Amino acid sequence: AQTVTQSQPEMSVQEAETVTLSCTYDTSESDYYLFWYKQPPSRQMILVIRQEAYKQQNATENRFSVNFQKAAKSFSLKISDSQLGDAAMYFCAYRRGGANSKLTFGKGITLSVRP
Amino acid sequence: DAMVIQNPRYQVTQFGKPVTLSCSQTLNHNVMYWYQQKSSQAPKLLFHYYDKDFNNEADTPDNFQSRRPNTSFCFLDIRSPGLGDAAMYLCATSNPTGGVRQETQYFGPGTRLLVL
Repeated sequence: AQTVTQSQPEMSVQEAETVTLSCTYDTSESDYYLFWYKQPPSRQMILVIRQEAYKQQNATENRFSVNFQKAAKSFSLKISDSQLGDAAMYFCAYRRGGANSKLTFGKGITLSVRP
Repeated sequence: DAMVIQNPRYQVTQFGKPVTLSCSQTLNHNVMYWYQQKSSQAPKLLFHYYDKDFNNEADTPDNFQSRRPNTSFCFLDIRSPGLGDAAMYLCATSNPTGGVRQETQYFGPGTRLLVL
């Protein structure tokens, strides 16, 4: 069975600084997708960034980028120039390729941003 | 804008009184999911519909049922809510046959259920 591990329950970052959120996963599949979702307090869960396993290039979305280490099964999220609006719970998630597969979430990490 | 809509955003019910939560989508996605999320925890998948095919998770209590009358709508029915069912319920959609980019799940804002 696939598992996703986020070992840090909480992190804090100073505004304008850079922070990295860790995630590891376990799978025997070769076709899969990895995601980072953001869920602000009492607000909607939104997709931050996604990575296809077959792509060697790390995904980037503006201030958000990932470090995808396929052999190590590691998928960390780097947030550059942190903003107060980045404060949220962040979930790492895995999905096997295929039409009827489900999303497996990590436990999440709460990120706070200090002004 | 295409989106996932959940109504109501907040629902209060009494212990044992049936309640229905609704989800609609304008994305025309063929898969719809229901998750239960308790405070500071990851969402827990209850079940999903792939088109009209219902897929229940093995550990979803019988107390939870779902209906999908058409592509756009999906309902979560809790037949006899207990205090432990108080949670946020998230609806999500995806369209895995729509190409690589459609592997992503898109979430609605959630319905927070309170059981008195």
